[in-house]
Amino acid sequence: AQKVTQAQTEISVVEKEDVTLDCVYETRDTTYYLFWYKQPPSGELVFLIRRNSFDEQNEISGRYSWNFQKSTSSFNFTITASQVVDSAVYFCALSEQGKLQFGAGTQVVVTP
Amino acid sequence: DADVTQTPRNRITKTGKRIMLECSQTKGHDRMYWYRQDPGLGLRLIYYSFDVKDINKGEISDGYSVSRQAQAKFSLSLESAIPNQTALYFCATSEPPGGQGNEKLFFGSGTQLSVL
Repeated sequence: AQKVTQAQTEISVVEKEDVTLDCVYETRDTTYYLFWYKQPPSGELVFLIRRNSFDEQNEISGRYSWNFQKSTSSFNFTITASQVVDSAVYFCALSEQGKLQFGAGTQVVVTP
Repeated sequence: DADVTQTPRNRITKTGKRIMLECSQTKGHDRMYWYRQDPGLGLRLIYYSFDVKDINKGEISDGYSVSRQAQAKFSLSLESAIPNQTALYFCATSEPPGGQGNEKLFFGSGTQLSVL
């Protein structure tokens, strides 16, 4: 069985603050993939990143960065200098054997 | 045009009615999925299909059925809708394992279903 836990239900920040979203996963597989998706108020699901279980390098893309730590089964996501447009629900997901299991999501609210 | 198209975008129906949600894709992917989203629960897998002749139950398949009419079409049916099936439904496709897009899902825009 696999499981994805996003313990933070909602995070509220003021614009320009940094925000870190936690994701902890459980799996017995040695080969798996981890994802982050963004769901803005419009409702569509936007792919942000995919990371395979053999690649523990952290990644930065603009104001977004991801910290993958296999030892703690965590794949955390940080938004630096948040903007109002970052307001959305963010989902962490674990994939194995072609199926994605999603966490419950973290609602990020960025106020001006 | 969208690569993964869901119809309808919104649907209101009554308890006991049969409902079909349709999904079509132009990405040429063999793998297709149906998820439902409920507040606080994230997305949960209902059914998935890895090719036209393959249909598999997900974690919450009870009360639902699917039909894979062609590589590009995957429809979800609620045989007798009930209020707790009110949710946002997403169709998705993916490439098979081994490619650069390994297991990345491409989602439709969603169908908001309300069962009264």
